[in-house]
Amino acid sequence: KQEVTQIPAALSVPEGENLVLNCSFTDSAIYNLQWFRQDPGKGLTSLLLIQSSQREQTSGRLNASLDKSSGRSTLYIAASQPGDSATYLCAVSPILTGGGNKLTFGTGTQLKVEL
Amino acid sequence: NAGVTQTPKFRVLKTGQSMTLLCAQDMNHEYMYWYRQDPGMGLRLIHYSVGEGTTAKGEVPDGYNVSRLKKQNFLLGLESAAPSQTSVYFCASSFPTGVNTEAFFGQGTRLTVV
Repeated sequence: KQEVTQIPAALSVPEGENLVLNCSFTDSAIYNLQWFRQDPGKGLTSLLLIQSSQREQTSGRLNASLDKSSGRSTLYIAASQPGDSATYLCAVSPILTGGGNKLTFGTGTQLKVEL
Repeated sequence: NAGVTQTPKFRVLKTGQSMTLLCAQDMNHEYMYWYRQDPGMGLRLIHYSVGEGTTAKGEVPDGYNVSRLKKQNFLLGLESAAPSQTSVYFCASSFPTGVNTEAFFGQGTRLTVV
């Protein structure tokens, strides 16, 4: 059974700092990995999707990397801002077998960026 | 473009009552999913559908039923609600294969069973 772990569970940084969020998974037979952002009481917003054949994806100040062989992904946030404060979730989907692109989630890293 | 829309957003039920949560997507996605989110446990898959008229069980299906009569809608039913079903429910949809298998989520339904 796939298990996804995110460390740390919570992180507080001053504004402007670059930071890295970590995600690890136990089964390397994945189809893709997706990073989400969740604001309190809200839904999930997709940030980046990395296909298993890719090493990284970038969107603005965000960069996600994937090392499938070691079962790890990182989300790098450059020049953090208070508006980045949220919970960040990573999720992996298994190699497609016609059974749906089902996601297994980590429990998230709660990020607070302070002024 | 509304994306994924869930109805209702909040609901309080008494133990034993029934209700249906509605999910609608306007992205022509084949795949749809229902997840629940509980503190400290992350999101867990309840049921999913790979196309109109098909449904399948996920990780935590007990106590729930689903139907996908139309491609754009996915309904989650609770026949006899229990306090253990107090949770936040999220619907999601995606394309099945190819480059863009990104999952899109609704805003959630916060359900309390008393």
